[in-house]
Amino acid sequence: NAGVTQTPKFRILKIGQSMTLQCTQDMNHNYMYWYRQDPGMGLKLIYYSVGAGITDKGEVPNGYNVSRSTTEDFPLRLELAAPSQTSVYFCASTPPQGQENTEAFFGQGTRLTVV
Amino acid sequence: RKEVEQDPGPFNVPEGATVAFNCTYSNSASQSFFWYRQDCRKEPKLLMSVYSSGNEDGRFTAQLNRASQYISLLIRDSKLSDSATYLCVVNTGFQKLVFGTGTRLLVSP
Repeated sequence: NAGVTQTPKFRILKIGQSMTLQCTQDMNHNYMYWYRQDPGMGLKLIYYSVGAGITDKGEVPNGYNVSRSTTEDFPLRLELAAPSQTSVYFCASTPPQGQENTEAFFGQGTRLTVV
Repeated sequence: RKEVEQDPGPFNVPEGATVAFNCTYSNSASQSFFWYRQDCRKEPKLLMSVYSSGNEDGRFTAQLNRASQYISLLIRDSKLSDSATYLCVVNTGFQKLVFGTGTRLLVSP
């Protein structure tokens, strides 16, 4: 099992450019999440998904879009990059509901800089 | 009020010390609770789940107080390798995981 895989690991974007952060998991987890972490801060939930075809907003969804067409993949889209979106982005997944005390598995993160 | 709140620290302690972190949560319907550890520029990793009856894993003890809506983490006999950021995580329902801002711990020789 590869676990949760994020790509790319690093990216520099110019203001106004768009990009997609990829996240895939091979553990057949229903739940997937996108977080951002600013320097010295905790993780803030951007979007999450409870299964294929279902997504929901987290605390800081503005400027982002997601889709969940398959169980494995949960890409995060930035349409018009802004300097405020400079951050480290983490994707995570958890097993189905009913196993609440099991852990969330994280990808290694994507470090995004918008200049 | 934030859903999950932690003292950001840093907590500076000598090796061998005992240190405790608290975390409060606002949603009384929250279902499960965790402590994660995050090393600099790395992804968070599960340290331990927090059970209603309290639980211990070696030098680490976690407690949950549902009435007061807080959880705690106690680290005994601190090691240099315990230096990290400790994140409180709350499942507020339907597997929505909300993270606190983290508490930074620095253990010095």
